[in-house]
Amino acid sequence: DTEVTQTPKHLVMGMTNKKSLKCEQHMGHRAMYWYKQKAKKPPELMFVYSYEKLSINESVPSRFSPECPNSSLLNLHLHALQPEDSALYLCASSQGGASYEQYFGPGTRLTVT
Amino acid sequence: GQSLEQPSEVTAVEGAIVQINCTYQTSGFYGLSWYQQHDGGAPTFLSYNALDGLEETGRFSSFLSRSDSYGYLLLQELQMKDSASYFCAVRDPGGGNKLTFGTGTQLKVEL
Repeated sequence: DTEVTQTPKHLVMGMTNKKSLKCEQHMGHRAMYWYKQKAKKPPELMFVYSYEKLSINESVPSRFSPECPNSSLLNLHLHALQPEDSALYLCASSQGGASYEQYFGPGTRLTVT
Repeated sequence: GQSLEQPSEVTAVEGAIVQINCTYQTSGFYGLSWYQQHDGGAPTFLSYNALDGLEETGRFSSFLSRSDSYGYLLLQELQMKDSASYFCAVRDPGGGNKLTFGTGTQLKVEL
């Protein structure tokens, strides 16, 4: 199984809502990532979890809160988002050391109204 | 910091060969990766060069020159399905599994 799954595929939320994005992989990868991607732009790293511990936070606003319940699951909790947070949110995973090869999920298309 | 520049758009005809360039400025270097992303899809890993030279994987090849801080992706026998965005990427020398992506090149394959 070389697949990273993400739910939901699409999400529309108001600025006062709380929602969560979910990501799952069963490849035994020990590093998992959240990226944000705007149209026609490259993915921008938000968070990295390595061996279930947060290892990188790219100065992401606190309205985004990551969580790694176990080595296969990654969540991104969203609260009080702004319209400019509308984007494609991609989850990825890799074996611990060789992060040049990352496996990406299909993403969640988020719209904040 | 890391900076990777690519042409924003390249157009070619079906069956042709196209080269997508990537020039980088990095504070350290651990190799250059290439990813493909179709519209609305997930980025997919294509290739990785740690050392100078050409790596070939089917119709796709990737080249690296560390002395010139330059690499390219070569796509041969272009097919319509190759229309996508292509990103080069480098791993952050500070560790922590961080990838920084290039500006991206949108490839359009025409009949």
